[in-house]
Amino acid sequence: GENVEQHPSTLSVQEGDSAVIKCTYSDSASNYFPWYKQELGKGPQLIIDIRSNVGEKKDQRIAVTLNKTAKHFSLHITETQPEDSAVYFCAASIRDSSYKLIFGSGTRLLVRP
Amino acid sequence: NAGVTQTPKFQVLKTGQSMTLQCAQDMNHNSMYWYRQDPGMGLRLIYYSASEGTTDKGEVPNGYNVSRLNKREFSLRLESAAPSQTSVYFCASRYETGSREKLFFGSGTQLSVL
Repeated sequence: GENVEQHPSTLSVQEGDSAVIKCTYSDSASNYFPWYKQELGKGPQLIIDIRSNVGEKKDQRIAVTLNKTAKHFSLHITETQPEDSAVYFCAASIRDSSYKLIFGSGTRLLVRP
Repeated sequence: NAGVTQTPKFQVLKTGQSMTLQCAQDMNHNSMYWYRQDPGMGLRLIYYSASEGTTDKGEVPNGYNVSRLNKREFSLRLESAAPSQTSVYFCASRYETGSREKLFFGSGTQLSVL
């Protein structure tokens, strides 16, 4: 089955700097790659996603890139703000009738004021 | 519109006790999921239900059972709790339309098994 690895496990950046989180997946049939943000004491929330027919997607300060050949995808956050501090999860799935979304182990991002 | 509601929020069990975690969604979603979250291991899928009346195993189903009672409710049962089941449990439902999809998560149940 699918296996998703995520790095780094923790990331500390200065406010205003950029942050990059990387994930690799094992199943070449995976075609959907979302990113979720989890704030303390809450459930994860979708922040951005990308499908395998697209190489890059942007939404304001966040962007995701996908390299299907290498089977890796990354989350980029520019101009980081203290409210970006949270745990970020990448995930991968095969968009078929079963829809099993497999998550990475998470990255704890700390943005220092 | 409450979204996904999980009960209880906290629970302490003794080894061997049983309990059921409840989950309900009011968004008319077909698919529902149970995940567990452990430090350094992310979210691992326990069971899921693609539609009312169907359930399937995820990555870590051992020691758990589920019931999709109706379209709104999806419960997770621990028949004989073990310390290894100490975790935070999240229920989720899936929204899908055309090219858009999204999981909505509940706020979690923190379970400790002593």
